[in-house]
Amino acid sequence: EDKVVQSPLSLVVHEGDTVTLNCSYEVTNFRSLLWYKQEKKAPTFLFMLTSSGIEKKSGRLSSILDKKELFSILNITATQTGDSAIYLCAGAQAQKLVFGQGTRLTINP
Amino acid sequence: GAVVSQHPSRVICKSGTSVKIECRSLDFQATTMFWYRQFPKQSLMLMATSNEGSKATYEQGVEKDKFLINHASLTLSTLTVTSAHPEDSSFYICSASARGGGIGYNEQFFGPGTRLTVL
Repeated sequence: EDKVVQSPLSLVVHEGDTVTLNCSYEVTNFRSLLWYKQEKKAPTFLFMLTSSGIEKKSGRLSSILDKKELFSILNITATQTGDSAIYLCAGAQAQKLVFGQGTRLTINP
Repeated sequence: GAVVSQHPSRVICKSGTSVKIECRSLDFQATTMFWYRQFPKQSLMLMATSNEGSKATYEQGVEKDKFLINHASLTLSTLTVTSAHPEDSSFYICSASARGGGIGYNEQFFGPGTRLTVL
């Protein structure tokens, strides 16, 4: 059975801290690993990772994929209160996405 | 970027009634649309995948007679929750993708979601 497991499930930090969110996956016909940020509505796309070892960056966010260990991390540096959200990772098959349960990140001022 | 809309954004209905949710791709042709359900504090669970002009493929445990999906055109898919009950209350999200070349993953674009409350 396909599964994606995220950790931690919940994380509370102070503004300015750096956080690392983890995602492990077992997905048949795996194509890519995707990260999304979800606030009150539908998820918004952050990264798509297809190759191992190549870091993707967008501002204070970065992510990397390890296809040997079936693992990905999402880093957020110098966190801000606006980073508070649920972060979802998903393993992509040719068509379908298999979502993890999400990490609820809370940034306190 | 590609835009997907959903209507309505929020609906409240009485138990036993049917509710229709629309999902539209506004600026691209969506060969495949997906319907997800998300319960509070839980992740997105895929309910079904629909390809334009063919019957939807439902995930295990999803009742196809209760959740009717119609993907009649390349820009519109509808989900009808028939005889809704309080346990159907949830956040329903659609996504759409267009068939691309190669063997890579076909990116999904998500709609804003519909919050259904069944009284």
